[in-house]
Amino acid sequence: KAGVTQTPRYLIKTRGQQVTLSCSPISGHRSVSWYQQTPGQGLQFLFEYFSETQRNKGNFPGRFSGRQFSNSRSEMNVSTLELGDSALYLCASSLGLSTYEQYFGPGTRLTVT
Amino acid sequence: SQELEQSPQSLIVQEGKNLTINCTSSKTLYGLYWYKQKYGEGLIFLMMLQKGGEEKSHEKITAKLDEKKQQSSLHITASQPSHAGIFLCGAEKGAQKLVFGQGTRLTINP
Repeated sequence: KAGVTQTPRYLIKTRGQQVTLSCSPISGHRSVSWYQQTPGQGLQFLFEYFSETQRNKGNFPGRFSGRQFSNSRSEMNVSTLELGDSALYLCASSLGLSTYEQYFGPGTRLTVT
Repeated sequence: SQELEQSPQSLIVQEGKNLTINCTSSKTLYGLYWYKQKYGEGLIFLMMLQKGGEEKSHEKITAKLDEKKQQSSLHITASQPSHAGIFLCGAEKGAQKLVFGQGTRLTINP
C-alpha cells in the first residue's frame, strides 16, 4: 500500500501571502489530521477531518483552515502568513475518527520570509 | 503545560551499546505511541501500547507501558547507525488526537 503523500515538500513564501498544502492519505483511511512541528513548540495538533467535515481542532488561529474531499484527500490553507508560521507541516491518516494509530506523511517544509 | 516529558532530550551512544528512552506522563495513559523521525522528515510508526504492563518489540526496539500507565520506556539492544534519529512518544488526547513529547535525539557513534 502506498503511504501518505504530501505536496509540495518544500515551499518558500513571503509574509502576508497565503499557502495551500495537500495531503493524500493511505488508501482506505478516512481520517486526516494535520500537525505543525517547530523547534520551539514541538509537534502540535492543528485539526482533523473525517467525511469531509472538520471534527476536531487544536489551538491555532482562524488563519489556519482546511478541507477534505470525497476521496479523503485533504488540503490545509494558511492565510496572511507570518514569520512564525515557518514550520514542518505533517499530515497523518488513520482508518477512522476514533482511531489514534496514525501514519504520517513526509511533511511540507514551509519557510516564510 | 507539558503533558509528556521525554528523557533524555539527547543521547549519544557507541554502536553496539544498549540504551533506554523514557516517556513520562502527568496523567494516566490510555494509549501510548512511539514514532521515529529522521531530521526534517515524517514520523515512522514503531508501536502502540495500550495495556499496563504491555511490552512490544519491533526488530531490536522494545517498548513497555508500566503497570500504573503513566510511563513508557523504549529500549534499544545492540544499537546500530540505522537507529539514529529522533524518537517521539505520543499519547491519546481525545479530540486533540495525539499529544507528543519533545522528542529524544539519538546519535550512534561508530
